[in-house]
Amino acid sequence: DTGVSQDPRHKITKRGQNVTFRCDPISEHNRLYWYRQTLGQGPEFLTYFQNEAQLEKSRLLSDRFSAERPKGSFSTLEIQRTEQGDSAMYLCASSPTGTGYHEQFFGPGTRLTVL
Amino acid sequence: DAKTTQPPSMDCAEGRAANLPCNHSTISGNEYVYWYRQIHSQGPQYIIHGLKNNETNEMASLIITEDRKSSTLILPHATLRDTAVYYCIGLHSTGGTSYGKLTFGQGTILTVHP
Repeated sequence: DTGVSQDPRHKITKRGQNVTFRCDPISEHNRLYWYRQTLGQGPEFLTYFQNEAQLEKSRLLSDRFSAERPKGSFSTLEIQRTEQGDSAMYLCASSPTGTGYHEQFFGPGTRLTVL
Repeated sequence: DAKTTQPPSMDCAEGRAANLPCNHSTISGNEYVYWYRQIHSQGPQYIIHGLKNNETNEMASLIITEDRKSSTLILPHATLRDTAVYYCIGLHSTGGTSYGKLTFGQGTILTVHP
């Protein structure tokens, strides 16, 4: 257990439905990241928060995706109008602000299946 | 961030050293080499990182060549629990604009067998 939790761990939904995932980072960590991982591939960066500010978004994050971190603590990732191609593991990670040090602590992930 | 190249898979006998290579010939002077691993159905886990000098911690050792174009992660006494996908990542320091985002490749699937 890294101290990063994600909820739910598994989500099965029908195409066209909206889903929301939650990530609770380690409490003193300012930085929070979302990644997506499809079968057989390494995780791909989606977005990054420093406190409540979303500072970077990948081109992978289409208009159907939105992420928030309203109080600089937990974060949510919402997918609207899900498609089968959204089926993947969604990973959240957090890290402290520092210099030259990028140890990110990952949660267990939320596995999304879109039918 | 530097592109890294790793073999797709490797085997190792339990109790023996596992030596995982990584090529990063385009790495720049201020890019660190990071290693993460991902055990099945879990999130990635940080192992070790280095810039120029060799590094050792409780999990592994990292040997970086003098020209910094390649490195080797060494698990000195592999156990069955070390079976995982191992990722080598080149990453600028926090002072850059990357914000520390990790760019994972395909990694090396290490299988430790009895």
